[in-house]
Order: sequence, then C-alpha cells, then structure tokens
Amino acid sequence: SAVISQKPSRDICQRGTSLTIQCQVDSQVTMMFWYRQQPGQSLTLIATANQGSEATYESGFVIDKFPISRPNLTFSTLTVSNMSPEDSSIYLCSVISAQSRLGELFFGEGSRLTVL
Amino acid sequence: GQNIDQPTEMTATEGAIVQINCTYQTSGFNGLFWYQQHAGEAPTFLSYNVLDGLEEKGRFSSFLSRSKGYSYLLLKELQMKDSASYLCAVKDSNYQLIWGAGTKLIIKP
Repeated sequence: SAVISQKPSRDICQRGTSLTIQCQVDSQVTMMFWYRQQPGQSLTLIATANQGSEATYESGFVIDKFPISRPNLTFSTLTVSNMSPEDSSIYLCSVISAQSRLGELFFGEGSRLTVL
Repeated sequence: GQNIDQPTEMTATEGAIVQINCTYQTSGFNGLFWYQQHAGEAPTFLSYNVLDGLEEKGRFSSFLSRSKGYSYLLLKELQMKDSASYLCAVKDSNYQLIWGAGTKLIIKP
C-alpha cells in the first residue's frame, strides 16, 4: 500500500482567491491523479499528474483553472484558481503504487474546500 | 456513452447478508474494482475482478459476469462499521476508471 499525506485537510476560502493543495506519497508510485468529489456524488477525475511535464486534463477541466505540478515521483500539487462557490468540494489525490499488482488506487484523506 | 449503475441506498440489519449490485456499459473492459468509503473519509480498496466468477476475501466477496456487464459485492455477517458508501469502478479499454455514483449502505441494529 501507499501512505498519502494531503494538506490542507480543509479550508474556507473567499471567492476569487486561489488555494494550493499538496500531496506527498511515502513510496514509489507509477501514476498520480487528482479527483473531485462533490457532496453525495461519486468521484470525478480532474487530471493525471505527469512528472516533469504538463498534466493531462479530463474534459471540462483546464490548466488555467486547475494548474497541477508534479516535480518528482512522489509529490504533486493542485491549485484551484479564482474560486467560486461551485468549486466547493472535496479534492482527492490518488496514486497507483509501484508495488501494486492489480493497479488499484490509493487515496489521500482529501481536502474539503468551502468557498464563500 | 459509458455508464455504471448502482442502487443509491440500501438498508440491512446487523448480522445479516447484503448484496450490492453494479451493472456497467463501457467501451471495453479491463477489470472492475469495489471501494468502501466511510463518511468524511477517503475511499479504500476492497476487491478486484477481471475474470468471471467469485472472489472471496473474508466477510466480503465480489462476483463478476463480463457477458452480462454485471458485478455484485456481497457482505456477510454485517457489522455496524460496514455502514458506508460502496463504489463500483470499471477500467475501460483505455485503462481509464469509470466510477459509479456509489451505494450508501445503512446498517441497523
């Protein structure tokens, strides 16, 4: 398994501001992803974080709104830019461990953002 | 389009057995995962099926029929701590994970 530290765990933000979420993994991973989970909903993939290059974004998500960095194999950041109340959600970092046989995802504890 | 269907909510009694169904329509199939998510926590991996049949892991079992596009998660000897949401996810032909909306399981004493 992989232990994923994600911070902040929660924050209350003002409209128009930006917030950066950090994700640190304690072991080697092959892939890192950022998900969003709105209250009572399932998981929506925002992007795949690529080491040393631009992230791969899913339909409906763009780099200007959700810039992502991944400077090394075990660390990534997601920034939620120019926030609006619609961005209130839980943001989850997830990884596929290098030791995984099945390709299952491990998740961080999530960052719960409330935008006022 | 790609689609995964699960019941929104189920209720069961402590000590009983419950079966949570998942049907899927995806572009290709490269495995099906079940995750458990307690309220306010991150999802945790429960099981993986890629071939037809039953995979048993303690009190939890997962079944897959690829021809029917169908899976179920079977929970035996239910405990109060099993109250959680259960998410079904399918890996499609591009190895992308398609997530169901999850089934909220409520366990009553």
